[in-house]
Amino acid sequence: AQSVSQHNHHVILSEAASLELGCNYSYGGTVNLFWYVQYPGQHLQLLLKYFSGDPLVKGIKGFEAEFIKSKFSFNLRKPSVQWSDTAEYFCAVNSSGFGAGTRLTVKP
Amino acid sequence: GAGVSQSPSNKVTEKGKDVELRCDPISGHTALYWYRQSLGQGLEFLIYFQGNSAPDKSGLPSDRFSAERTGGSVSTLTIQRTQQEDSAVYLCASSLVRTGNEQFFGPGTRLTVL
Repeated sequence: AQSVSQHNHHVILSEAASLELGCNYSYGGTVNLFWYVQYPGQHLQLLLKYFSGDPLVKGIKGFEAEFIKSKFSFNLRKPSVQWSDTAEYFCAVNSSGFGAGTRLTVKP
Repeated sequence: GAGVSQSPSNKVTEKGKDVELRCDPISGHTALYWYRQSLGQGLEFLIYFQGNSAPDKSGLPSDRFSAERTGGSVSTLTIQRTQQEDSAVYLCASSLVRTGNEQFFGPGTRLTVL
């Protein structure tokens, strides 16, 4: 069975601060990794994904994530957050393994 | 359609009643998923369909929950004898194929059991 752990339940940052959200998974096979975002009142949508190749993947709105196989991690980063990044972020492994989510609040 | 649609958007029911939630996936998407999102909780996987068959029902929390998919398209999630703990947002998602593809989510059905 696969499981996904997101370390932070709620993160509060000021605008322009750097962001890193942790995601670790336990699964021994081939993994496809995703970060989804849910803005207030909106649907869940894909932020970025990793299938193979360059372990550093870039997504929309300046987000990036790095796959570190040896650490079973796929952390999400953004160098400078904006108020509009306030949302809930979910890490996912393969097709149905979602983490519990991290709520990000960015203070203007 | 342009995206995944779900109906109703909100459902309030009394404890003990049955409810049916509907999902219309994106046309051509063979994989369909149901999730439950409770307040302060993450996404709880319920069931997955590939075409009309459900190879993975592992997430259904009890035998009061069932789901079907017909014609490789529309799916219904049925909750019998609803309980207050069933109150949650039920999300549906679809993807082209299961393995590794991006899932497209619907807006969800907010179920409140009184």
